[in-house]
Amino acid sequence: DAGITQSPRHKVTETGTPVTLRCHQTENHRYMYWYRQDPGHGLRLIHYSYGVKDTDKGEVSDGYSVSRSKTEDFLLTLESATSSQTSVYFCAISESRGSSGNTDTQYFGPGTRLTVL
Amino acid sequence: AQKVTQAQTEISVVEKEDVTLDCVYETRDTTYYLFWYKQPPSGELVFLIRRNSFDEQNEISGRYSWNFQKSTSSFNFTITASQVVDSAVYFCALSGGSGTYKYIFGTGTRLKVLA
Repeated sequence: DAGITQSPRHKVTETGTPVTLRCHQTENHRYMYWYRQDPGHGLRLIHYSYGVKDTDKGEVSDGYSVSRSKTEDFLLTLESATSSQTSVYFCAISESRGSSGNTDTQYFGPGTRLTVL
Repeated sequence: AQKVTQAQTEISVVEKEDVTLDCVYETRDTTYYLFWYKQPPSGELVFLIRRNSFDEQNEISGRYSWNFQKSTSSFNFTITASQVVDSAVYFCALSGGSGTYKYIFGTGTRLKVLA
């Protein structure tokens, strides 16, 4: 199993409060991702990182920011949580791209269930 | 634009029945990758298989098999002799090969295997 942990695993917060979710990997993989999972939508990419301090937006990035100051840690921040951000958040990692440029498999962390009241 | 469709929202079968989960994709990339993941009731996402667009060979792994057909843009997943432990949500995903690492997921199919 890929060494990926997420913290916290569960969180309940109130609308308007800031929230930070942490993803930690022990695999030294270059690429890290944050997804949210909602009924009827599958998983949708929020942000991803292709190296330390290198990040980019996914399809549902509004209201979220990320930071990656170390290879092993990728933080997701909700600056001012809203009820629409109630979801299960998954972190994923993948290895470097490889010489042939192929997309490598993403491996997922255990998820964080966030409830915004 | 890329898209993955899993039209079957939920399927129920009786143990030992065979079941096929459908996945239809859309992409303009000539190189792309297809994936299946399993999400059991415990909630984690488990990688099952990856297939690239140049390899249309079907794959079998124990009771699991995958049928990739570019002509119909489908990557279907069959479980033979289903078991209660196969009960889960199964996701199909697509990734382009030309400089993107972004996966597009289908909405998932919930499989219930009844004893």
